[in-house]
Amino acid sequence: DGGITQSPKYLFRKEGQNVTLSCEQNLNHDAMYWYRQDPGQGLRLIYYSQIVNDFQKGDIAEGYSVSREKKESFPLTVTSAQKNPTAFYLCASSDRGQPTNEKLFFGSGTQLSVL
Amino acid sequence: GENVEQHPSTLSVQEGDSAVIKCTYSDSASNYFPWYKQELGKRPQLIIDIRSNVGEKKDQRIAVTLNKTAKHFSLHITETQPEDSAVYFCAASGMQRPPPFGGFKTIFGAGTRLFVKA
Repeated sequence: DGGITQSPKYLFRKEGQNVTLSCEQNLNHDAMYWYRQDPGQGLRLIYYSQIVNDFQKGDIAEGYSVSREKKESFPLTVTSAQKNPTAFYLCASSDRGQPTNEKLFFGSGTQLSVL
Repeated sequence: GENVEQHPSTLSVQEGDSAVIKCTYSDSASNYFPWYKQELGKRPQLIIDIRSNVGEKKDQRIAVTLNKTAKHFSLHITETQPEDSAVYFCAASGMQRPPPFGGFKTIFGAGTRLFVKA
């Protein structure tokens, strides 16, 4: 373990509430990613960021927001607009500067549930 | 948009037998194809990868093949063991935007749950 850290491990959201998932990495990686994992659907890309102060929408960005103010941090906010937020959320990072920079390093995940 | 199809969704084999998982991708720009293994309650871990300029790669009991023309790639596990039981994800990755903000976007298949019976 270590390298990329997600917190909390479990999170509960009340209806109408925004919640923020933390992702921190000390690998000096430029790129960071957020994936959502639902049973039987694999990993779906929510947002990704290749460099500080820049990020792009993935395939299921609606109801989510991100920021990338620091290289080591890429927090994900699940807003009240996300009507089905219950899922396992995985953060990942990769090093843009290496030949094999597509290799993803994953955090241990956050399980979000709705109360 | 980009899509990766993975089959089968569930695979059960006897210990010592081989297991094969197949994937197809849609984005012609994809040039890197990793496979990740996720054990129950743990994070996905890279087990093997292949680039588009290579047709086959082997690492001990696991091998991956790529047919870029047909946009197919497969994972082969030989002499399976109970500890191989996990969910396996294929993925396809390609450059999305040019520098300085350019980078790779990785699209995953839906996963295959492999059971190895002792």
